[in-house]
Amino acid sequence: GNSVTQMEGPVTLSEEAFLTINCTYTATGYPSLFWYVQYPGEGLQLLLKATKADDKGSNKGFEATYRKETTSFHLEKGSVQVSDSAVYFCALRSLKEFYFGTGTSLTVIP
Amino acid sequence: NAGVTQTPKFRVLKTGQSMTLLCAQDMNHEYMYWYRQDPGMGLRLIHYSVGEGTTAKGEVPDGYNVSRLKKQNFLLGLESAAPSQTSVYFCASRGSSNTEAFFGQGTRLTVV
Repeated sequence: GNSVTQMEGPVTLSEEAFLTINCTYTATGYPSLFWYVQYPGEGLQLLLKATKADDKGSNKGFEATYRKETTSFHLEKGSVQVSDSAVYFCALRSLKEFYFGTGTSLTVIP
Repeated sequence: NAGVTQTPKFRVLKTGQSMTLLCAQDMNHEYMYWYRQDPGMGLRLIHYSVGEGTTAKGEVPDGYNVSRLKKQNFLLGLESAAPSQTSVYFCASRGSSNTEAFFGQGTRLTVV
């Protein structure tokens, strides 16, 4: 079956710290992989995506590389800002359906 | 540029009452989805649709019904609400040429 496992939070970092949120997946076939971000009181917004092995998705300083050999799609950012405080969801799409991780809450303190 | 719009944004129901949540998208997307979000459980798929007039069950369909009479609208119905259905509900859509899903702002439903 299809599933996504991501690192549990909450995560608290100081401004300008390095961020890694781990995500691994189980999937049949060749899924597309995503990171979504959810700010308080809002819906999910696409942060970045990768559609095939070794693709790197990037946006707003965040990056993630589709690693087929380790079935992983870890999210990284070199220097976080207070405005990055949100909940981050790793997800995969296999054919018609999306599968989401449980979310990782990030708080960045000044 | 509305995207995906959910109505209502908040609702309080009494146990046993019924209601319908409306999702409307203006992007001419084929696929539409209803999820519920609960603390510590991420998003779980309730029902989805791959086109006008079609619906399919997701991971947690019990207690919900859906209809897709028009391509742009996807309705989620609760016939007899239960406290276990207290949650935040999200609608999403995807075009056949898109990889990603686009989400609405959510509906916070409380069943007392």
